[in-house]
Amino acid sequence: ILNVEQSPQSLHVQEGDSTNFTCSFPSSNFYALHWYRWETAKSPEALFVMTLNGDEKKKGRISATLNTKEGYSYLYIKGSQPEDSATYLCAFHTGTASKLTFGTGTRLQVTL
Amino acid sequence: DAGITQSPRHKVTETGTPVTLRCHQTENHRYMYWYRQDPGHGLRLIHYSYGVKDTDKGEVSDGYSVSRSKTEDFLLTLESATSSQTSVYFCAIIRDGQVAPGELFFGEGSRLTVL
Repeated sequence: ILNVEQSPQSLHVQEGDSTNFTCSFPSSNFYALHWYRWETAKSPEALFVMTLNGDEKKKGRISATLNTKEGYSYLYIKGSQPEDSATYLCAFHTGTASKLTFGTGTRLQVTL
Repeated sequence: DAGITQSPRHKVTETGTPVTLRCHQTENHRYMYWYRQDPGHGLRLIHYSYGVKDTDKGEVSDGYSVSRSKTEDFLLTLESATSSQTSVYFCAIIRDGQVAPGELFFGEGSRLTVL
């Protein structure tokens, strides 16, 4: 079983704060690293799929970086808004049968 | 909209009864997955399929079986439900030919309670 770890487990920030989370994954057999956003009572939705060491992806106020050699990825949210409140999941992909191993997620709560 | 429908969306059953959850897709993609979501564990893969009658186990397959007799349907069966199988079950697909490798599209989830 692959070990994918996320930290922190939960985070409570105020509107306008910038924040970041970490995903750690095995540095061997890397194929891709995924980030998903999961709002309460909804289904997870992909934010980013990253494949290359040094990759940086951005979508609005959310961005992510990837270091495959040391096995970590950071997700950044700039100027958090209440609508950013969600659980953020990362998932490690070895390329085998397109199976993903998910971390346990970081739960973000943004208050006014 | 990935065209994924799960049924039932909610079910309460008793220990020892069989339960089947259905995942239906409208776009005939090859890869389909069943995950369960539990507090403290995130999403864990139960079984997956890469085509009609082609299925394989995930990391938490004990107590579950699957079938895929048609491209559009992937069934998850709990032969004899136990309380430890109380969970939210998500079906997911990978769209054939998509650029992002392995990107999953999820159904809305099926909440199962085993009393």
